[in-house]
Amino acid sequence: QTVVTQEPSFSVSPGGTVTLTCGLRSGSVSSSYNPSWYQQTPGQAPRTLIYNTNTRSSGVPDRFSGSILGNKAVLTITGAQADDESDYYCVLYMVSGLVFGGGTKLTVL
Amino acid sequence: EVQLVESGGGLVKPGGSLRLSCAASGFTFTDAWLSWVRQAPGKGLEWVGRIKRKIEGETTDYAAPVRGRFTMSRDGSENTLYLQMNSLRTEDTAVYYCTTSLYGTPVYWGQGTLVTVSS
Repeated sequence: QTVVTQEPSFSVSPGGTVTLTCGLRSGSVSSSYNPSWYQQTPGQAPRTLIYNTNTRSSGVPDRFSGSILGNKAVLTITGAQADDESDYYCVLYMVSGLVFGGGTKLTVL
Repeated sequence: EVQLVESGGGLVKPGGSLRLSCAASGFTFTDAWLSWVRQAPGKGLEWVGRIKRKIEGETTDYAAPVRGRFTMSRDGSENTLYLQMNSLRTEDTAVYYCTTSLYGTPVYWGQGTLVTVSS
């Protein structure tokens, strides 16, 4: 069973930079997994931020960026704003299907 | 503009069945991979299954918890995706989202439809 790991929670100061990670319990994440990132606030559908490792979805500000760092996919948010306070999920593409991480609750304070 | 509109959710008893629909527009439906993703109350996102393009035989893949109980299909003439859910369990209670993919992972999402399995 494939397990995708994310930090359960993270906090960042307004204006600061935060890097959220998406890893595999066994193995390394590479671009072949097409890592993608989603932002979700309570009661709303997820919003796609990044797909195919580093492609920003339409309308997503360039404060959000995706990459591979070491053996993990990462989502970097620069110049954090109050309305960035959300849950963030990553997903990895597998031949057999998709696997989501457990999500990271980001607090901006 | 891509639009995905789910319908068909509701309250069903354990062991019952339900069929969800997703009406799609704004893209070439027959060329797209489509997936269902669900979210149980207070929990994270969980992939349910996907259906590939017509040219790929509309092949389906399912997550282990739903395999053998859920069936995805698509109607290219109606631009609609379906999820037939049988033998429903309380743990299937969730908001179900229809998604379409680029590079295999969801990019566009519907607003979701709530399925509640309870006696």
